[in-house]
Amino acid sequence: QVRLVQSGAEVKKPGASVTISCKASGYTFINYHIHWLRQAPGQGPEWMGIIDPSRGATNFARMFQGRVTLTSDTSTSTVYMELSSLTSEDAAVYFCARSTANWASYFFDYWGQGALVTVSS
Amino acid sequence: EIVMTQSPATLSVSPGERVTLSCRASQSVSDNLAWYQQKPAQAPRLLIYGASTRATGFPARFSGSGSGTEFTLTISSLQSEDFAVYYCHQYNKGLSFGQGTKLEIK
Repeated sequence: QVRLVQSGAEVKKPGASVTISCKASGYTFINYHIHWLRQAPGQGPEWMGIIDPSRGATNFARMFQGRVTLTSDTSTSTVYMELSSLTSEDAAVYFCARSTANWASYFFDYWGQGALVTVSS
Repeated sequence: EIVMTQSPATLSVSPGERVTLSCRASQSVSDNLAWYQQKPAQAPRLLIYGASTRATGFPARFSGSGSGTEFTLTISSLQSEDFAVYYCHQYNKGLSFGQGTKLEIK
């Protein structure tokens, strides 16, 4: 069965960076895109960016450009998301999610379990 | 950016009732609209895509309709496991979500 398993919760100081992993299994890794979203308490999900694991190509929401890095390791079917220059406004649950490789069908059929990021001095 | 507006924010309903949730887009998204169900401390779960296609694992009491800027999610007879937060998501131009509608037990 398809699974996306994320790394665990993180506590970071303001100004630091955080890296979260998302390990995929149960499907052909390079045939689907992986997205990253975050969700603050009581809010809807917010899309951050996407990576095509087959090529390593990425695209980001404007507000995250320059602060988010996405990489993929096809040998382990794992995608990594690094968010830098953390502030208190980055405190949220971060999700990876899968979509088809068709840009016209970027809905998310499988999600990771989420990783809570706390930003505190 | 396309803004998605859901209404109401909270809906208090009794099991067995029929409910309709609304989602409005600030500009046309064609039928590139998905709905997700989210329970506490869980990830969202895909419920509807293409505005009206039900995802695997959800029963027929869930249905989606609409196109352009106005969309609805209908649950024909609420069951206890349906009490959750529901989000709409447009993927026509960029990717954006509504703020959610919480279904709570009356």
